[in-house]
Order: sequence, then C-alpha cells, then structure tokens
Amino acid sequence: DQQVKQNSPSLSVQEGRISILNCDYTNSMFDYFLWYKKYPAEGPTFLISISSIKDKNEDGRFTVFLNKSAKHLSLHIVPSQPGDSAVYFCAGYNFNKFYFGSGTKLNVKP
Amino acid sequence: GAVVSQHPSRVICKSGTSVKIECRSLDFQATTMFWYRQFPKQSLMLMATSNEGSKATYEQGVEKDKFLINHASLTLSTLTVTSAHPEDSSFYICSAREGLGASSSYNSPLHFGNGTRLTVT
Repeated sequence: DQQVKQNSPSLSVQEGRISILNCDYTNSMFDYFLWYKKYPAEGPTFLISISSIKDKNEDGRFTVFLNKSAKHLSLHIVPSQPGDSAVYFCAGYNFNKFYFGSGTKLNVKP
Repeated sequence: GAVVSQHPSRVICKSGTSVKIECRSLDFQATTMFWYRQFPKQSLMLMATSNEGSKATYEQGVEKDKFLINHASLTLSTLTVTSAHPEDSSFYICSAREGLGASSSYNSPLHFGNGTRLTVT
C-alpha cells in the first residue's frame, strides 16, 4: 500500500524556467512532508519541508505548496538550473516514520 | 553537514549465505535509524525502524528473522540479510535521524547513506 505517490517518473525543463514536481498522498494523518534530492550513486539529501498546518513554505529558489483537501503537494523550483538535475523524492511523516514516493527524475537542459 | 556512511556499497553473495550491511552516523548521534529497500522505479519502502538499545520495529510483511537489525550504539546500526535468496537482490539504504531521545522530533533531518546494492546469485 503506497501512501505517497509521484506519478511522473521524469520531467524535462529548460534552464531558467520553472520546474514543478508533484506528489499525492493517501494518509491524512501525515503531519509533515519533506522533499529529498538524490544524485546518482549518492543517498538522498534533505531539501525542504512543510508542516501539515501550513500551505506554503519557501526557501530560496524552492517553494513547497500543500493542498490538504486534495492530498497533494508540489515543489516549485524557480529558476531551474542544470545543477538541479536529480531525482526528487517526496515523503510524508507520521508516527515516527517517513514514507517515500517513487521519485521524479528532473532534467534541466542548459 | 551530517554524514551517514553505509558499507558495503555493493555486494554479491551466493544463495544461502548471510550478508551484513553497516550504517554509521559519522558526526552525530542517532537514537533512531531507518532501513529502506528500493526496487527499480519504485518507492523507498520502509522495512524497519531501528532504535538504539531496543528491538527494531518491522513494517508489515517484512520478515524479522530474515532481516536482522541491530542498533547497539548511537552511531551504528546493522542489517543482516540471512540465508539470502535471489529475490532479496535489491538496493538497501539506511537513514539516521539527528538527535537523541526527546530532542529528535518530526522535524529533525533525516540523513541517508549512499545505499548498498545486493545481488544474490
């Protein structure tokens, strides 16, 4: 039973444009959501998070939006840079556990 | 930044043998570590939560006698795949949460190891 889903396995964006990565979840008990970034041959690294009581959190070029009624969150990267090319995982947190989506591979073209 | 070292990065073993994977937090202490397994193009599936000084908590469907977890210190957790079979071939990745006890809360960052690619022949 996959509680967090990322339905787009890949996304290609031109440098300077906006990248929007989407994530859906089924567990309404998640009280925290996180985005992780993963480069090849490395483990995921924390990028940005949002509490379930908020609908937006911004950190530099990265903004995460949460729509609880739709059980949907998204990560916006503006402007996108070639170094942002990686796999992005979203995760939900509940009862001391993190549940991850399958990831979206972002390719930012120069 | 905080670093988690996972070893080995790749291992090939014969069916029926056991393999131990180590996960170390190098510059912080972690009461809680997590073990995940990832199949190609699928989610990081949580296998178990490893708590220092106590028994691991396994997710539904994960055989605790097959995947032995030991968290003997605040910087080391190990996963042993016992009597490995080809279907155990996968990518295993550990993560550790910064903080001790009550100081480790839901917004304490998770730090991941680089993963172990296990191939059972």
